[in-house]
Amino acid sequence: DAMVIQNPRYQVTQFGKPVTLSCSQTLNHNVMYWYQQKSSQAPKLLFHYYDKDFNNEADTPDNFQSRRPNTSFCFLDIRSPGLGDAAMYLCATSFGRVLREQYFGPGTRLTVT
Amino acid sequence: GQQVMQIPQYQHVQEGEDFTTYCNSSTTLSNIQWYKQRPGGHPVFLIQLVKSGEVKKQKRLTFQFGEAKKNSSLHITATQTTDVGTYFCRGGGTSYGKLTFGQGTILTVHP
Repeated sequence: DAMVIQNPRYQVTQFGKPVTLSCSQTLNHNVMYWYQQKSSQAPKLLFHYYDKDFNNEADTPDNFQSRRPNTSFCFLDIRSPGLGDAAMYLCATSFGRVLREQYFGPGTRLTVT
Repeated sequence: GQQVMQIPQYQHVQEGEDFTTYCNSSTTLSNIQWYKQRPGGHPVFLIQLVKSGEVKKQKRLTFQFGEAKKNSSLHITATQTTDVGTYFCRGGGTSYGKLTFGQGTILTVHP
């Protein structure tokens, strides 16, 4: 089945220690998104790739970076995680933007100790 | 950016009762999408509305898009325990071209 896969499902990192979360998709969608979701809140868009074009949200901290080496894979790098970065990180894909539904992966739960 | 306000934040119902959540925008929306997120899960796309006054149904779920394309609603008839979760709308403006999520409505169904 075509899907969005995120690894790992749970990640524990230390304060200030860089961490990378990964997302892969078999849907062949050209847009990939990274969201941060905290408890009882809506997903907050961090950035997205439209093909190879990177689109950063204005309020996304510089601490968050992303890479998309090919159509199928996208990575979220947190350079120096703080306690406030503990959250669920959701990867989503779509075929085009605006009038296109998003398909979400299961998420990675990040804990910062 | 485009702001989409969603109410209520929480809704507790007895099984069998109806449930409605509303999304409102101060500006015209190009389209609106609805997602459901089960507890511990990820958002799952339910439906998209594009046309003014559009009404779509999925079994016990009815989705409406306002005539002015500034509001939308999701109505569930005779809720079941499987309906538990958070319902999000996601809407975008005609000029901005980006969709944002509403705050979500957390639905609890008591058996």
